Amino acid sequence: QVQLQQSGPGLLQPSQTLSLTCVISGDSVSSNSATWNWIRQSPSRGLEWLGRTYYRSQWYNDYAVSVKSRITINPDTSKNQFSLQLNSVTPEDTAVYYCAREGYSSRWYGPRRYYYYYGMDVWGQGTTVTVSS
Amino acid sequence: QSVLTQPPSASGTPGQRVTISCSGSSSNIGRNTVNWYQQLPGTAPKLLIHSNDQRPSGVPDRFSGSKSGTSASLAISGLQSEDEADYYCAAWDDSLNGVFGGGTKLTVL
Repeated sequence: QVQLQQSGPGLLQPSQTLSLTCVISGDSVSSNSATWNWIRQSPSRGLEWLGRTYYRSQWYNDYAVSVKSRITINPDTSKNQFSLQLNSVTPEDTAVYYCAREGYSSRWYGPRRYYYYYGMDVWGQGTTVTVSS
Repeated sequence: QSVLTQPPSASGTPGQRVTISCSGSSSNIGRNTVNWYQQLPGTAPKLLIHSNDQRPSGVPDRFSGSKSGTSASLAISGLQSEDEADYYCAAWDDSLNGVFGGGTKLTVL
């Protein structure tokens, strides 16, 4: 049974860096059949996907366009976890932050490999982050 | 303003069938699969439907999904009081990456 356990501070001042960690049990951050995601939720912005990290012979990251200049998601294979860093936070970054796993599979069709994603089926418990001076 | 458009609210009586729509564009729903999530108050979202119409293990067959062109729908048949929740659609957008709908609050009357 896969579980994700989040940790990190809940209160930040404007311009600080948000740092959250998501510890994985029952799966591996290096899995070649899962991506590891960060999502946030606020009343004003709803659910917002922030980015993901995944391993396919090498590490890859994808980030939401809205935060691309401020975000870093890093895997830590030694601790089987992944982290979120969001720089220069403002009150607009106040939200509940979630980590989540999305499984996928792949198939070759001739020379090209296609990927099939199965939705985010395991979520962390959520961390409320407030940005206020 | 969410990239995927959902009605803010929906309602039905117990036993009824309710549908929730999700409208996108050629860069998201038109080219990629749609997932649906159910969120009960104070909890993390739960995967309800993936790959347009596939139910994960443990999801009742009262829940079904479909997709046509740049739109998708979630149908709930035999509505029950415990179905009262917020429902979100999600898809990959070829320009913006992961995107969600604004959510639909389902009320069981």
